[in-house]
Amino acid sequence: GAVVSQHPSWVICKSGTSVKIECRSLDFQATTMFWYRQFPKQSLMLMATSNEGSKATYEQGVEKDKFLINHASLTLSTLTVTSAHPEDSSFYICSARRFGGAYNEQFFGPGTRLTVL
Amino acid sequence: DQQVKQNSPSLSVQEGRISILNCDYTNSMFDYFLWYKKYPAEGPTFLISISSIKDKNEDGRFTVFLNKSAKHLSLHIVPSQPGDSAVYFCAASENTGFQKLVFGTGTRLLVSP
Repeated sequence: GAVVSQHPSWVICKSGTSVKIECRSLDFQATTMFWYRQFPKQSLMLMATSNEGSKATYEQGVEKDKFLINHASLTLSTLTVTSAHPEDSSFYICSARRFGGAYNEQFFGPGTRLTVL
Repeated sequence: DQQVKQNSPSLSVQEGRISILNCDYTNSMFDYFLWYKKYPAEGPTFLISISSIKDKNEDGRFTVFLNKSAKHLSLHIVPSQPGDSAVYFCAASENTGFQKLVFGTGTRLLVSP
């Protein structure tokens, strides 16, 4: 149990377009989902935390108008990179905390590789 | 400001020997620590964790040690196996707000046969 999926696993887009990444908890309800990005050979940096039915909380330095997060249900959160530019190319990973689970227990998705040309 | 640091970007070990991965943190409010294993282009996989009320936790070949006074933790893998080759991240959290995880910079472990 506790499987998290992401779609797509990789995407290539042109500069200026928007890209939506989905994160789903397949076999559990996730009250909280987290979005991270990872640059090559660097750490996972938390971008934002989303709770179902409420606005996401963004980390300092993350543009909320550029990285739109929607957590419409207990099993789905989406990250939309708006007007993507080459510097947005990165590996985006989501994680989910199970409803009723330990506060520090997060299950990670496989990640989405975004390449902006 | 990197609150969680892994000062060794890489570590090479022979199969059967012990691998020791280190992690330091600066935030004294962290009360839970985790180790994750990650392969390229995949999400992290949870390995083992430890609460700040303990100084050791063991799970099979994996043992995590916590030295709160030194703000240091380590992951011991013994015996190391080639399949252990991956990037290992330590992470820390505190029981406030969203209890978000703060990750270290990672250590690439290579276990050679």
